[in-house]
Amino acid sequence: GAVVSQHPSRVICKSGTSVKIECRSLDFQATTMFWYRQFPKKSLMLMATSNEGSKATYEQGVEKDKFLINHASLTLSTLTVTSAHPEDSSFYICSARGRGETQYFGPGTRLLVL
Amino acid sequence: GQQVMQIPQYQHVQEGEDFTTYCNSSTTLSNIQWYKQRPGGHPVFLIQLVKSGEVKKQKRLTFQFGEAKKNSSLHITATQTTDVGTYFCAGSYGNKLVFGAGTILRVKS
Repeated sequence: GAVVSQHPSRVICKSGTSVKIECRSLDFQATTMFWYRQFPKKSLMLMATSNEGSKATYEQGVEKDKFLINHASLTLSTLTVTSAHPEDSSFYICSARGRGETQYFGPGTRLLVL
Repeated sequence: GQQVMQIPQYQHVQEGEDFTTYCNSSTTLSNIQWYKQRPGGHPVFLIQLVKSGEVKKQKRLTFQFGEAKKNSSLHITATQTTDVGTYFCAGSYGNKLVFGAGTILRVKS
């Protein structure tokens, strides 16, 4: 099956710093990538949808300037959490979709902001 | 906005018992997908249902899509300890997936 990688898998940072998370589709071209956030024992909440070469579409309530998304190529999307604060601590998961409708999920990134 | 309701929130079963989780959408779905997430892991795609009334089986797992394409269910026959995890349905609304709250399955051996 299709493989999606995420880096880093875990990150601990100080409050006020920015953190970049990479999402890569390893064996297919992802026309669309999605970024989700998951709180402990909760469901996945879609943050934004990004298409290669265009601006991301953010869900209601998600701050664009806080969560910067770049989808520079068909295999790479990045999420930057700017000026991170403890309330940004969460599990961030990306998914990638090729020509079909199936989304393939990355392994996730656990962010802890101290 | 679009919402997908999923019940139950938790289910504890004895190994060998059956398990079912249900999802319901207020609006018609283009398709519905099911995922399994093990503790500490990420969601793993199980199946996609597209057609009205569709039924698909994967070994002990049976997936159904309602006639109106608004509800779906996942049934596991004779659960095993390897079935533990959270099962999510995800309704497809155009370009995006909306996830249900998930059902946490615990299996007692």
